[in-house]
Amino acid sequence: RKEVEQDPGPFNVPEGATVAFNCTYSNSASQSFFWYRQDCRKEPKLLMSVYSSGNEDGRFTAQLNRASQYISLLIRDSKLSDSATYLCVVSPYNFNKFYFGSGTKLNVKP
Amino acid sequence: SQTIHQWPATLVQPVGSPLSLECTVEGTSNPNLYWYRQAAGRGLQLLFYSVGIGQISSEVPQNLSASRPQDRQFILSSKKLLLSDSGFYLCAWSTSSHIQYFGAGTRLSVL
Repeated sequence: RKEVEQDPGPFNVPEGATVAFNCTYSNSASQSFFWYRQDCRKEPKLLMSVYSSGNEDGRFTAQLNRASQYISLLIRDSKLSDSATYLCVVSPYNFNKFYFGSGTKLNVKP
Repeated sequence: SQTIHQWPATLVQPVGSPLSLECTVEGTSNPNLYWYRQAAGRGLQLLFYSVGIGQISSEVPQNLSASRPQDRQFILSSKKLLLSDSGFYLCAWSTSSHIQYFGAGTRLSVL
C-alpha cells in the first residue's frame, strides 16, 4: 500500500470555480502534513502546511482529518495561475522522511 | 537566507556512463538533505536522505549511491547508468519545522 495516495485528475475547472482535492495517508503515526505545488518541469514549492485545526491562506484552505487519515485542499475563486500539480506530503514521527503523493493535476480554464 | 544549488540543469548521458550530480546548501548548518527522482508524469520517489556528514540512508535499492562529504554538500552518483535512470532528479533540504525546499532539479536523459 502506498504511503500517500491522491487522485491524479486532471481536474478541469472554469475560472472562479471552487475545487477540492483529497489525499489519504496510510501511517496513523504521521505527524506533519503539507501541500506543495509543482508547475510543469519545475521543482515543487511549498503551498501550505496543514495544521490539526485546519488553516487558511487567502483562497486556500487546508484540513486534516486524523480519524479518517486524510487531508484536503480547497481552492476558492480559481485563477488561471492556479493551474499546476498539487502534491500531498506526509512526514512520520521522526521527521527524517517525507512521503509524496503522485499529485493531482489542476487545469483552470478561461 | 538559505539557498540550495543543484547542477547541472540538464544532462544527456549514454547508457553505461558514470553520473555525478551535486547539491549544495547555503545559509544553514547541519540540514537534513534528500535526493528524489521523478519519472515523467509520476510522483517524487525518495532515493536517499542524510541527517549528517557521512550518514546516508537508502530508500530504494538501485543503481545509484549518495555521499555527503561536507555538511552542506550532497552528491548523487552512479558507476554505470541504465536507461531506467532517466528522470528529474531533485535535491532538497528540510528546516527545523519540517518544511522542504528544493533545488531547481536536474533533468537526466540516458540514451
